[in-house]
Amino acid sequence: DQQVKQNSPSLSVQEGRISILNCDYTNSMFDYFLWYKKYPAEGPTFLISISSIKDKNEDGRFTVFLNKSAKHLSLHIVPSQPGDSAVYFCAARNYGGSQGNLIFGKGTKLSVKP
Amino acid sequence: NAGVMQNPRHLVRRRGQEARLRCSPVKGHSHVYWYRQLPEEGLKFMVYLQKENIIDESGMPKERFSAEFPKEGPSILRIQQVVRGDSAAYFCASSPPLPLQGFYNEQFFGPGTRLTVL
Repeated sequence: DQQVKQNSPSLSVQEGRISILNCDYTNSMFDYFLWYKKYPAEGPTFLISISSIKDKNEDGRFTVFLNKSAKHLSLHIVPSQPGDSAVYFCAARNYGGSQGNLIFGKGTKLSVKP
Repeated sequence: NAGVMQNPRHLVRRRGQEARLRCSPVKGHSHVYWYRQLPEEGLKFMVYLQKENIIDESGMPKERFSAEFPKEGPSILRIQQVVRGDSAAYFCASSPPLPLQGFYNEQFFGPGTRLTVL
């Protein structure tokens, strides 16, 4: 049973516009949420995170929003650039677990067209 | 300032052989995690180790798989008697020691080892 769901396998956006990637989760014990970006044949690269005690975190062009009541988070990229084209993974940490393992969604492939 | 290093990057094994995957964490990081990514899937947690200790192996198959992180040297993920279903990308990540609830030290990932079982 998937605890972290990314329901859109792919997303295509025009350069300069906003990209919105969505993620839903089921476990209320998750205390930290992260977004990772992954290029082909490379490991995931940390992008941005948010604690469950916050509802927004911003870092340059990237903003993550957390809606705890809906168990939903989203990543906004503004403005989108062709170099943002990659697979984006949403991940969550379960504080009730070993505190070490992250639970990943299946990813959303973002394509930013020039 | 090297990141997480994994070797080999590609490994081909025949069914029944052993696969050994190595991971050198970021210098100063004492926590290592192994994840597996099957085609079209997200990363799945396998095991979390500190130096000389297994902290959480809840994601590791009970048979044929083992992991270690010795006092000296890299972390090793060992798969005995490989089968075709073991073909996947195996990622290692490392982090500093974990802080209290509400805070987080991000995990830094290596480039992965792509295991192909013929």
